Amino acid sequence: GENVEQHPSTLSVQEGDSAVIKCTYSDSASNYFPWYKQELGKGPQLIIDIRSNVGEKKDQRIAVTLNKTAKHFSLHITETQPEDSAVYFCAASIRGRALTFGSGTRLQVQP
Amino acid sequence: DADVTQTPRNRITKTGKRIMLECSQTKGHDRMYWYRQDPGLGLQLIYYSFDVKDINKGEISDGYSVSRQAQAKFSLSLESAIPNQTALYFCATSDSREGNQPQHFGDGTRLSIL
Repeated sequence: GENVEQHPSTLSVQEGDSAVIKCTYSDSASNYFPWYKQELGKGPQLIIDIRSNVGEKKDQRIAVTLNKTAKHFSLHITETQPEDSAVYFCAASIRGRALTFGSGTRLQVQP
Repeated sequence: DADVTQTPRNRITKTGKRIMLECSQTKGHDRMYWYRQDPGLGLQLIYYSFDVKDINKGEISDGYSVSRQAQAKFSLSLESAIPNQTALYFCATSDSREGNQPQHFGDGTRLSIL
């Protein structure tokens, strides 16, 4: 089955700096890659996703890049703000199947 | 996501007890999932259901069972709870008409087994 590895497990940045979280996946058939943000006491919330026919996708301060050849994808957050502090999860799936999640990255943005 | 409601939000119980966690959704989605979250391990899939008559095991189904009572309701049971089932449990939904993505999560049930 699919295996997703996520790094780093914790990340601390200064407000205004950029943050990058990286994931690798094992199954070359995977074609859908979402990123979720989880705040304390809440369920994961989708923040951005990318499909395998696209190499990059941006939504304001958030971007995701995908390298299908290397089987890795990354989340980029620019101009970080304290409210970006949360746990972030990457995931991968083959269309129509359940998601396989990475182990999560705890991002702390220092004011 | 208020459209996916999990009850209870917190539960403390004893080893050997039968526990049921419930999930209901108003999104009209046909697919529902149960995940378990442990610190440092992300979310692991327990069971999923693609419609009322379809139930599938996930990667960690041992010790759990599920029931899809209606399209909007999906419950998770622990027949005889054990301490290593202490975790945060999430229900999620998706719509096959949207290619099964994305998944929408409830706010979780924190389960402690003493």
